[in-house]
Amino acid sequence: DTEVTQTPKHLVMGMTNKKSLKCEQHMGHRAMYWYKQKAKKPPELMFVYSYEKLSINESVPSRFSPECPNSSLLNLHLHALQPEDSALYLCASSQELGGNNSPLHFGNGTRLTVT
Amino acid sequence: ILNVEQSPQSLHVQEGDSTNFTCSFPSSNFYALHWYRWETAKSPEALFVMTLNGDEKKKGRISATLNTKEGYSYLYIKGSQPEDSATYLCAFETGANNLFFGTGTRLTVIP
Repeated sequence: DTEVTQTPKHLVMGMTNKKSLKCEQHMGHRAMYWYKQKAKKPPELMFVYSYEKLSINESVPSRFSPECPNSSLLNLHLHALQPEDSALYLCASSQELGGNNSPLHFGNGTRLTVT
Repeated sequence: ILNVEQSPQSLHVQEGDSTNFTCSFPSSNFYALHWYRWETAKSPEALFVMTLNGDEKKKGRISATLNTKEGYSYLYIKGSQPEDSATYLCAFETGANNLFFGTGTRLTVIP
């Protein structure tokens, strides 16, 4: 079982809906990430938070809005998405940002379908 | 976006066979090379993080080598078992956990 918990597991939403993806870890990790993965493509980095501050934002459209309320929680707020945003959204955490002993710990992902 | 290539894309082996696959990455701006194992319906699980040229790491029947000068890493599985069936992802790190993933090698071990 993963130590990074993502909810919901599946989400179907219309293009006018507002929804949020949630991620939680209790390993004391200080860096948290959102990745997007489309079928047969590699996971692509969207956002990185380090010590609750946004550290990396890979030019993601503003219809995706991250939030890090505290060091254990990471949210991804979704608004006015497009069908091409349908994908698997993976949350991950690591002990620190970078470093030899900072592998990523992933959640199981949220499978998002935009209709 | 950096190009990280993995080969082969998929692989079928018989139980008991040993196998290996390749991850190719840029030889400049290297910080670390990660390997992850991703079983269906589960989350990716870290296998190794390697930083030094010539590094070799081992975890049970799985081992990995790293050549940063020529930009490749090999993952070896000795005596494959059905439970080894998964997608194996490598990721090239340029610094501060800025990881670029390959598309993975999908391994199926036939009992």
